[in-house]
Formats: sequence, structure tokens, C-alpha cells
Amino acid sequence: DAGVIQSPRHEVTEMGQEVTLRCKPISGHDYLFWYRQTMMRGLELLIYFNNNVPIDDSGMPEDRFSAKMPNASFSTLKIQPSEPRDSAVYFCASSGQDPGANVLTFGAGSRLTVL
Amino acid sequence: KNQVEQSPQSLIILEGKNCTLQCNYTVSPFSNLRWYKQDTGRGPVSLTIMTFSENTKSNGRYTATLDADTKQSSLHITASQLSDSASYICVVSARAGDMRFGAGTRLTVKP
Repeated sequence: DAGVIQSPRHEVTEMGQEVTLRCKPISGHDYLFWYRQTMMRGLELLIYFNNNVPIDDSGMPEDRFSAKMPNASFSTLKIQPSEPRDSAVYFCASSGQDPGANVLTFGAGSRLTVL
Repeated sequence: KNQVEQSPQSLIILEGKNCTLQCNYTVSPFSNLRWYKQDTGRGPVSLTIMTFSENTKSNGRYTATLDADTKQSSLHITASQLSDSASYICVVSARAGDMRFGAGTRLTVKP
């Protein structure tokens, strides 16, 4: 398995533009997580899905952020409109049936810079 | 207040030396504790995972300990190598999907 695949690896955009980050989880994993990492705040959970259904989105900063999982092999995290404070590395991770007992496998991350 | 506190924030050691990283948590109820290694520009990679009943778990030169009574864990690295330079993140799970991340310890191994 190629692991968790994220795209793009790097994105530079201007304030106000729409940003879409993509994730392909490991095949067979039931859980998918979106995290944001900054130097100041470390890793923060934004949202997670179980069997394509959003379970907890309390970490989503505000209405400018939205996430979807239309099928078991694809998820998107969208920011519209983007702001400079959204600059961070966004990680997608997936896990087997019980993420409390199983290991999270992280993607390589998408580094977002909003100018 | 973060429910998972790691110390030190950063550490510099010479190649070949040992070091110990600390993780204290207040997360409750407790399901398991994991240590992840994150190389610069990469996603975190799991080193160990321990449940309530486990006190020690090793993965090569990495040994994690857990004291569920005092809610403390440590990660000991033996005979450090340059490739050990990374951030080490402690993650404590309360239940499925509810994982609390420490801020990490940044380790630099110098030749």
C-alpha cells in the first residue's frame, strides 16, 4: 500500500482565494482524520470521519473550513476564503476499525502558505 | 490547558549518547498512549503504543515506559544516531477518535 496520499504537497495562494486539500486514505481504513500543525499550536484535530460520516468537527476553526468524504477512498478539506492565519501544514491520517487501539498512519502533509 | 505536557521542549545531545523524553497527561478516561516520531517535513510515524496494563514497550533503540497511576510516560533513546533528530510527540487516547497531542520534544543529535 502506498500509504496515506495527500495533495498538493505545497500550496501558495493569496488571501481570499479558495484552497482545496485532498487525501486518499489507506484502503480498508474506516477512520479518516484531518489535522493542522503550526509551530505555535502543534497538531490540532480539525475533523474526523468514520465510514465516510463526519463524527466530530468541533475542531474546525470557523465556517470558512469545510470537509467532505464522498467515498471511502477520498476526502477533501476546503478553505474559502483563505486568510494568512490559515498558513500551516495540514495532515490527513487514517486508521483501522478502532483508532483507539490502532495506529494512525499520517500522510506527508500539505504545506499551505496564504499571502 | 493542554492535557498532555511534554518535556523538555527541545534537547541537543551528542551522537551515541542516551536521552529520555517525558510525557505527563491528565486525560481521563485513559485508553492508550502512543509515541510518534516526526521528521522535518514529514508526517508523524508511530514508534510505540501502550495500553493501561503495559509498563514497558521497546522498538529497537526506543523504549517507552508508562505509569498509569502517576499518568507519566517516558521515551528512552539508546545510543542515539544522527537520524534520531526529529520531533517526538506523545499522544494520549481517551476513546475512539479522541486523541490528545502533546506539543512535542524537538531532539537534535549532533556528531
